[in-house]
Amino acid sequence: DQQVKQNSPSLSVQEGRISILNCDYTNSMFDYFLWYKKYPAEGPTFLISISSIKDKNEDGRFTVFLNKSAKHLSLHIVPSQPGDSAVYFCAASPANAGGTSYGKLTFGQGTILTVHP
Amino acid sequence: DAGVTQSPTHLIKTRGQHVTLRCSPISGHKSVSWYQQVLGQGPQFIFQYYEKEERGRGNFPDRFSARQFPNYSSELNVNALLLGDSALYLCASSKEVHFRANYGYTFGSGTRLTVV
Repeated sequence: DQQVKQNSPSLSVQEGRISILNCDYTNSMFDYFLWYKKYPAEGPTFLISISSIKDKNEDGRFTVFLNKSAKHLSLHIVPSQPGDSAVYFCAASPANAGGTSYGKLTFGQGTILTVHP
Repeated sequence: DAGVTQSPTHLIKTRGQHVTLRCSPISGHKSVSWYQQVLGQGPQFIFQYYEKEERGRGNFPDRFSARQFPNYSSELNVNALLLGDSALYLCASSKEVHFRANYGYTFGSGTRLTVV
């Protein structure tokens, strides 16, 4: 049972335009959502995250939106740059009893983003 | 500061053999988690160790085992290797058993295991 799904295996975008990567989840126990970026021959690198009590979190060119009722989140990259070309993973985690920290990650399948110059 | 280091980076094993993968967490991090990433899939949780105790186990057969040493480094062992065990094995560390917001787990570059 795939609890976190990224239904688009790949996305191709022109430099300077917006990249939108989508992610759906099914487990209502997930309280925290993260996006990781992965280059070939490297481990996943933390990019941005959002708590379930928020609907938006922004960090520079990266914004994550969460629609809890739809169990859907998206990552917006504006403007896209060729260096953003990588595999992007959506991940989710439940909160601990106190709601202040988070546990094991459940990942989606990943979306390959290609930004063309 | 050194990040999460994993060794070896690549290795090739034959079906039925045993393999040991190693991970050194970031200095000061006491938690180590192991993930398996099969080609075309996202990483899948295998184990988490904190203060030398197992704190979580994913849906993997008993052929997979791990341990954590007093210096917080960790080993992942896989017995009776199958072709399907071919994957990138990732190690992730954190200061505590749970990670704090806006940080997540820090991953190493992984060990690419090929079973032939």
